[in-house]
Amino acid sequence: GENVEQHPSTLSVQEGDSAVIKCTYSDSASNYFPWYKQELGKRPQLIIDIRSNVGEKKDQRIAVTLNKTAKHFSLHITETQPEDSAVYFCAASRVPPGGYQKVTFGTGTKLQVIP
Amino acid sequence: DAGVIQSPRHEVTEMGQEVTLRCKPISGHDYLFWYRQTMMRGLELLIYFNNNVPIDDSGMPEDRFSAKMPNASFSTLKIQPSEPRDSAVYFCASSIAWGGTGANVLTFGAGSRLTVL
Repeated sequence: GENVEQHPSTLSVQEGDSAVIKCTYSDSASNYFPWYKQELGKRPQLIIDIRSNVGEKKDQRIAVTLNKTAKHFSLHITETQPEDSAVYFCAASRVPPGGYQKVTFGTGTKLQVIP
Repeated sequence: DAGVIQSPRHEVTEMGQEVTLRCKPISGHDYLFWYRQTMMRGLELLIYFNNNVPIDDSGMPEDRFSAKMPNASFSTLKIQPSEPRDSAVYFCASSIAWGGTGANVLTFGAGSRLTVL
């Protein structure tokens, strides 16, 4: 089955600096890579995603890159703000033809933005 | 739509008791997932359903855990007997099958925090 590794497990940055979280996946058939943000005591919520036919996607201060050859994808947050403090999960998903959707999550990165 | 509804939000029980967690997915979603979240193991997929049929239960830790989805609007996760190591937050999530335009975005419920004493 799919295995998703995520690094680092914790990350502290000064407000205004950038943060980068990296993930690797094992199943070359995975074709969709979402990122979820989980604030303390809340549910995970999708913040950005990328499909396997795209190398990069940006939404304001967040961006995601995908390297299919290396099976790497990364989340980039620029100009970090205190409200970015949360746990971030990457995930890999595949829907093979005629098959079933399955989502595998990484272990999470706790991001702390220091004012 | 009110989103994915889970109950109870908090459950405190004693070891050996039966625990039943409930989930109402978003209407029209045909996938339902049960996840368990702990500090040590992160988000673990326990089981998922497609059109009310269990597809993969390989994440269910042991026979003490069981899950059902009797219809498209309701699912239960049962633990019997419960043990202290089952203490965790249990999330239910639903999604719609991958379509031509979209991605299989998971919408999570608020979670059920289980404490087994």
